Amino acid sequence: KNEVEQSPQNLTAQEGEFITINCSYSVGISALHWLQQHPGGGIVSLFMLSSGKKKHGRLIATINIQEKHSSLHITASHPRDSAVYICAVRIRETSGSRLTFGEGTQLTVNP
Amino acid sequence: DGGITQSPKYLFRKEGQNVTLSCEQNLNHDAMYWYRQDPGQGLRLIYYSQIVNDFQKGDIAEGYSVSREKKESFPLTVTSAQKNPTAFYLCASSMIPFEGAGSSYNSPLHFGNGTRLTVT
Repeated sequence: KNEVEQSPQNLTAQEGEFITINCSYSVGISALHWLQQHPGGGIVSLFMLSSGKKKHGRLIATINIQEKHSSLHITASHPRDSAVYICAVRIRETSGSRLTFGEGTQLTVNP
Repeated sequence: DGGITQSPKYLFRKEGQNVTLSCEQNLNHDAMYWYRQDPGQGLRLIYYSQIVNDFQKGDIAEGYSVSREKKESFPLTVTSAQKNPTAFYLCASSMIPFEGAGSSYNSPLHFGNGTRLTVT
């Protein structure tokens, strides 16, 4: 079983809809990242969370450390939001820390 | 604007040939990383470097080599020993290391646009 699981794997929405992408993890972490991968392949960091909630424009990210779960919400979705959204968690180890990535959620927003 | 430049965007090679992927950053970051992305899988760490002239193996280093002679540059060579080299390769950097000893959880991630390597 992967240490990081995202759902759904694929999501299709109509423009204007409220979108939720979920990320669950099975180990203790010190931080969680949400990333956006454009159709061309480049990746942009959206959020870095260790607790609570962050908002940037139409994007909201929440994390519940006790439940080992995070959600990424997109309000008033737009076709330009179509991308792969990736969750990554930072796992502390005795030798330092490492990042583990989810497989990503492919989001398509239709006009 | 500062950023990470990967070149070329697409690369084609014949089996048995070594190939080098370029990664340059002008963000003045100490730490740099190479990841491999395959369909249906999360990014996997190949190599990382926390400082010039030093680098560490990641989870899937076999068949790859790197160098870090300059702070700005972290080229990745895919050797003929890599059994399944066809993949999408992403380079990343951070001011503070986010892998290995001394890494910090509060390092933002900066990625390049990737190189798609096809070996036939």
